[in-house]
Amino acid sequence: EPEVTQTPSHQVTQMGQEVILRCVPISNHLYFYWYRQILGQKVEFLVSFYNNEISEKSEIFDDQFSVERPDGSNFTLKIRSTKLEDSAMYFCASSAGLAGVLEEQFFGPGTRLTVL
Amino acid sequence: GNSVTQMEGPVTLSEEAFLTINCTYTATGYPSLFWYVQYPGEGLQLLLKATKADDKGSNKGFEATYRKETTSFHLEKGSVQVSDSAVYFCALRRGNTDKLIFGTGTRLQVFP
Repeated sequence: EPEVTQTPSHQVTQMGQEVILRCVPISNHLYFYWYRQILGQKVEFLVSFYNNEISEKSEIFDDQFSVERPDGSNFTLKIRSTKLEDSAMYFCASSAGLAGVLEEQFFGPGTRLTVL
Repeated sequence: GNSVTQMEGPVTLSEEAFLTINCTYTATGYPSLFWYVQYPGEGLQLLLKATKADDKGSNKGFEATYRKETTSFHLEKGSVQVSDSAVYFCALRRGNTDKLIFGTGTRLQVFP
């Protein structure tokens, strides 16, 4: 069964460093998403991406964040200069569409980012 | 604004017990409602959904009914198994947006 994969499973970085979190969405999906969950808090939407551009983003997704689909398979989230408060589990998701049975978002297992 | 509130966990049950995990929402309009489940070491998986008032979503013995009058979408299962141990997330999506809005998640632990 197709699945969303994410690498690495755990990333440790120093404050101020750049990190890139990688995701491989399901191959025929068109919509891509990043969410995050700070420990003990809600899963929060960061950004959605369609047709090679951002379609929606939250207030959290400021200039320090960027997303890219560099080739036909990967979808990346870059944090330019990490802060302590960026420590969280980051989930990638993809969907085939936005309505009916196509709207189901399939999630990866997450990347745990720890900023020291 | 739009939000989802779930009961705090963990919920600890014996096998074959009845399960209820409460979920209430605040939203304008008529959102779609979802329950996602996360098993240890895995991503979130869609468990069930309902797209309009009075719809009942069901899957793997789990059920939830979209109650507009009480703005609720409580998850129920008549007889839980050890394999149901996981974290359960309630979520909503408004029709004019891509994003899912999640609750904090409720951990369920089922003991034999």
